[in-house]
Amino acid sequence: KAGVTQTPRYLIKTRGQQVTLSCSPISGHRSVSWYQQTPGQGLQFLFEYFSETQRNKGNFPGRFSGRQFSNSRSEMNVSTLELGDSALYLCASSLEGFWDEQYFGPGTRLTVT
Amino acid sequence: SQQGEEDPQALSIQEGENATMNCSYKTSINNLQWYRQNSGRGLVHLILIRSNEREKHSGRLRVTLDTSKKSSSLLITASRAADTASYFCATDAPGNQFYFGTGTSLTVIP
Repeated sequence: KAGVTQTPRYLIKTRGQQVTLSCSPISGHRSVSWYQQTPGQGLQFLFEYFSETQRNKGNFPGRFSGRQFSNSRSEMNVSTLELGDSALYLCASSLEGFWDEQYFGPGTRLTVT
Repeated sequence: SQQGEEDPQALSIQEGENATMNCSYKTSINNLQWYRQNSGRGLVHLILIRSNEREKHSGRLRVTLDTSKKSSSLLITASRAADTASYFCATDAPGNQFYFGTGTSLTVIP
């Protein structure tokens, strides 16, 4: 069974730009969650999508948004990038939700200059 | 913000020894999970323990949960060099929030 894939793996953007990250979950998994990892704040929950609906949301500003498609693939968008958005963005898929065993992708390393 | 705090922040042991790391959290939880992260395999789920369970085993891993103290421990027995990684506890709390702890960096010396 193929694992969770994320594209792109690395990205460099300029302050003020926007970025879209993509995540393909494991086949059959309906829940996709997104996390931000930084040295200062650690791993933080962004949001969770289930059956094309945002089911749960962490404490991030509205510049962070996402969506899920009918095939469970998910995208995450960050608008008006700030230097502090530089981070490793991880997505995870699971059968039922983040309370279940999650399978993580390799992450997208975003650098904002 | 972090719900969980892990202790110690860093741990260095010899191969074959046992490693114990602890996680304390702030609010009531539904479940607690442990994950491992290293550069080779990324973030990997290790074990899940529900709030009504006190102990769980999986191979060389033993997890305990004390909800009255809001704490959990992860024991890795007979450690190997391949166990070198960062270990995180993660909790899902009422209100549908999911939190990772600050992590313990484990180094196993061959």
